[in-house]
Parts: sequence; C-alpha cells; structure tokens
Amino acid sequence: ETGVTQTPRHLVMGMTNKKSLKCEQHLGHNAMYWYKQSAKKPLELMFVYNFKEQTENNSVPSRFSPECPNSSHLFLHLHTLQPEDSALYLCASSQDRRGTTEAFFGQGTRLTVV
Amino acid sequence: GQQVMQIPQYQHVQEGEDFTTYCNSSTTLSNIQWYKQRPGGHPVFLIQLVKSGEVKKQKRLTFQFGEAKKNSSLHITATQTTDVGTYFCAGPSHSKAQGGSEKLVFGKGTKLTVNP
Repeated sequence: ETGVTQTPRHLVMGMTNKKSLKCEQHLGHNAMYWYKQSAKKPLELMFVYNFKEQTENNSVPSRFSPECPNSSHLFLHLHTLQPEDSALYLCASSQDRRGTTEAFFGQGTRLTVV
Repeated sequence: GQQVMQIPQYQHVQEGEDFTTYCNSSTTLSNIQWYKQRPGGHPVFLIQLVKSGEVKKQKRLTFQFGEAKKNSSLHITATQTTDVGTYFCAGPSHSKAQGGSEKLVFGKGTKLTVNP
C-alpha cells in the first residue's frame, strides 16, 4: 500500500462511452500526476496538478479531461476514446511538483477500449 | 527539453550474474531517482541520489551518481529471480520553454528478466 489509491483497477469501455478514473492520496502531498503507460511509451506524463491547479498538460487529446477538486483527489474523465488509448493509467503524488522528492504511484487502472 | 536516456532497454541474465543499467541526461540534474516496477505492478521508489559522485547501496543494489551529475547507474550483484522487473531512472526537468514548469522525467526503463 503506497498511500495512493486508484479505482477502478480494470476498465473496459466502448468508444462511445464516458467513464472516469479516480485517484486519492492520503500522504498530504501537494502535487498529483496522471501517467499513461503502454508498450510504446513506458511512462508518459499526461497532466500535473499542484495545489489543485493544473501546471502541465503534455499535449494530451481533449478526450482526456482531468479534474482536481482538492489536493487529495484527482480524476481523469474519459469520453470517445480510441482503441490506441488502451493502456495502464497511473496516478502519482509527490510533496512538490519540482521533481526533487520521490513520487508515490497508485496501482493503476488497466483500461481497454473496444 | 531535457531528456533522460536509459540503456539497455532489455537485459536477460542467468540467476547469479550481475546486472547494470545506465541512465544519461542531456542536462545536469539536481538529483536522480530510481524506481522498480514488478511485472503487473506499479513503479516503486528505490532511492534518490543528490551529490556529485554519490554512491549508495541497498543490499545487492549499488547506485551511483556521476561526477558531472548527468549520468547514473544501478548495479545488481548476483541477481535473483526476485529482481525481475523494469528499472526506471528519473530526474527533474527544468525546461524554461515550458514557462519554468518542472516535472519528473522518466527514462524508458530497463526490463530485467532472470533465468533461474
């Protein structure tokens, strides 16, 4: 248990569906992240939030929509995804966003788009 | 922007053999971190190196930070089947082009398999 909890662990969705991934951290960290992990790009940063504000959007398509209502919770809203979006989506948190402190990862959501 | 390159991409060893993965950055790093991801798992923090030339050990694992703080290595002595997984290095990005935003940049990882 890393202190970062992701739900659901597995998700299968059609291309016309709308779903959301949830991440919660109990570590008192200020920064939270979404990563996409696939065979082609092992750890691809998608979004960075610091004190609830988005500080990085790594050219992610608009069919991925993040939401950070507070420093402990992070969501990733999904709609009209493509099969190539199938991947492991990892949430992480750290004390700050400057890369000077370790990142704690959740167990990930394995997403399959059919 | 800053890139973190890691080699080799894959490494297969016989149990008992040594293993080394190398990490190189295009810019000087304030620190470098190493993570391990077991098959089917998530990345787990192993260690952070901060000082130039720093060497840290965790049992059979030896981590080294280069004198110029642009490269690092992880060496495993006498590998065991429990060492199987992907090892990532990561360093902070300081891209001014991104409005000064900083983030942790990961290498592509080295996938280690061990033949018992």
